[in-house]
Amino acid sequence: GQNIDQPTEMTATEGAIVQINCTYQTSGFNGLFWYQQHAGEAPTFLSYNVLDGLEEKGRFSSFLSRSKGYSYLLLKELQMKDSASYLCAVPRGGQNFVFGPGTRLSVLP
Amino acid sequence: GAGVSQTPSNKVTEKGKYVELRCDPISGHTALYWYRQSLGQGPEFLIYFQGTGAADDSGLPNDRFFAVRPEGSVSTLKIQRTERGDSAMYLCASSQTGTGDIQYFGAGTRLSVL
Repeated sequence: GQNIDQPTEMTATEGAIVQINCTYQTSGFNGLFWYQQHAGEAPTFLSYNVLDGLEEKGRFSSFLSRSKGYSYLLLKELQMKDSASYLCAVPRGGQNFVFGPGTRLSVLP
Repeated sequence: GAGVSQTPSNKVTEKGKYVELRCDPISGHTALYWYRQSLGQGPEFLIYFQGTGAADDSGLPNDRFFAVRPEGSVSTLKIQRTERGDSAMYLCASSQTGTGDIQYFGAGTRLSVL
């Protein structure tokens, strides 16, 4: 089966850098996804990692280590609008996603 | 083109009633997923369609829940004899082919069972 763990809540200051960690245990690996979800809205795709290393996309970067079952999402130059939940997800059998509990990030002025 | 559309956005019903939730996926996407999300938690998988057929319904909690996708496009999630524990956000997602693709989510239907 799959098990995904993330911190429940994090707080950071506007303009700072924050790292949101995700650890997973999975039978078979088909990549790892990060989604952002603002309260009451749909999850929106942020990043996808299937190989080890860092993928950079503007202010957001995502890192994967398959041997450690570990990923992180790095958010730079934090803005108030980055306050949201960040969901780590792993495809099960390459199909439906197994989601972590989500990390609720609060960005303070 | 348009994104994933879900209707209604909110549904309030009484315990024991029947409800239908609709999902209109992105045009051309063959894979469609239903998830359920409780407050403060990540989405939980319910059922996955590839075309018209349910490829995996292992996430449906019991036989009160059923979903269809008769023409391989729009899908309807049906809940019979609703219970208060069914109250949650029901999310629909679609992807191009299904195998490790990015899933695009609708805004969800918030179901409240009184």
